[in-house]
This record gives sequence, C-alpha cells and structure tokens, in this order.
Amino acid sequence: QVQLQQWGAGLLKPSETLSLTCAVYGGSFSGYSWSWIRQPPGRGLEWIGEINHSGSADYNPSLKSRVTILVDTSKNQFSLKLSSVTAADTAVYYCARGSSVLVGYFHYYMDVWGKGTTVTVSS
Amino acid sequence: SSELTQDPTVSVALGQTVRITCQGDSLRSYSATWYQQKPGQAPLLVFYGKNNRPSGIPDRFSGSSSGNTASLTITGAQAEDEADYYCNSRDSSGNHWVFGGGTKLTVL
Repeated sequence: QVQLQQWGAGLLKPSETLSLTCAVYGGSFSGYSWSWIRQPPGRGLEWIGEINHSGSADYNPSLKSRVTILVDTSKNQFSLKLSSVTAADTAVYYCARGSSVLVGYFHYYMDVWGKGTTVTVSS
Repeated sequence: SSELTQDPTVSVALGQTVRITCQGDSLRSYSATWYQQKPGQAPLLVFYGKNNRPSGIPDRFSGSSSGNTASLTITGAQAEDEADYYCNSRDSSGNHWVFGGGTKLTVL
C-alpha cells in the first residue's frame, strides 16, 4: 500500500519561501509522476506542478516563475519550493502520485494523495 | 484550452440517480478523472479512464464521456456520497494537469 507523507513549515511571512517535502513509502518511485496541488480555503483544487523520477519537471504556467520541484530518488522524496509568497498562497498543499493506464490510449489519474499540509501566509 | 467547467452545486434525493458533468476542450483528447472530497480530507479517486473504479469504490459510481463533456453518475445516491466532486485531466498540450472548479453534491 503506497503512502505519501508530507511535511513542511505551516506559517510563513510575506516574501518568504514555502518549502514542503513528500516521501513515498511502500512503492516504486519510478514509472509515475509526482505532483503538488493546492486548495485555498473554501475553494477548488489547483495543480502546481509535477516531476518524474528522472527529475524532469513541469509547472502550472500561472506559478512557473516562483515554483521549483525537485526529486531525491535516493530517499524516494520530492519537494516543492514556492518563492515570494503572499496571502494568496495560503492553502492546503497536497502531494499526489500520477499514474496512467493504456486502454486504447493512455488514461491519466492521481491515485495516491498525501493528507495535506496547511500553509498560512501572514505578517 | 486549459479549463474544465463544472456546475457549482447539484442536489439529489436519497436513492436517486445524479449526474455530475465536466466540460472542456482537453476532454476531446484526454479522459476525465473524478475525485471525491469530504470536508477536512484529501481528495479520493473514484473513477478514471473508460471504465475504472479503484478498489473499494462502490459500483454505483460510473463514468462516461462524449465530445468535450465527461460525466460522473451516481446510481442510487447514498447519504455518504454528499461531498465535493472534482474532475481533472491532462490539458490539451498533454504537459500539464487541469482541475475543474468542483461540484458540491447535496443528498436530500
């Protein structure tokens, strides 16, 4: 049973850098994509970015200038850094595993999620 | 386009059938995936692909698609199905994920 355990600072001041880590337990790290998603209070889900085991990352264009996602395959971990945070970055941040299945064509889905980390940005 | 559109709220009487829809250009190229989220919890995968339910998801959850619209159908809705439901897919470029705005399902 694959589990994702995430951690990081929960209270930041404006202009600081958000830093979160997600560890993968009980399963392979390769062959999947690893995403960060966030959810502001009372609002919907927003994809932040993803990385694969080889370190190739893609980001939401709306956040790309401030986001870095890195992978540490030796520890089966991946991390998120979001710079210059503001109150608008206050949200629950989730890590998730992206999988795919080939039935005619590839179908993509996020099948394992971390429990979420609440990050508050306040002066 | 990188947008998926969902109705903000949907209601259903206990035991009846409800359909939650998701529209977007990317759905012409990529299948929709559906997640259930209850207050204070992480999203839970409930349906993906052409006809796939993860282990433990009741068979009253099913999915379908046509053109740029995907649907999640709950046949015989139960009180425990009251939740927010999100669709997502790869965007039209295939390089990114995109989420719908979510549908709050109320079971009356």
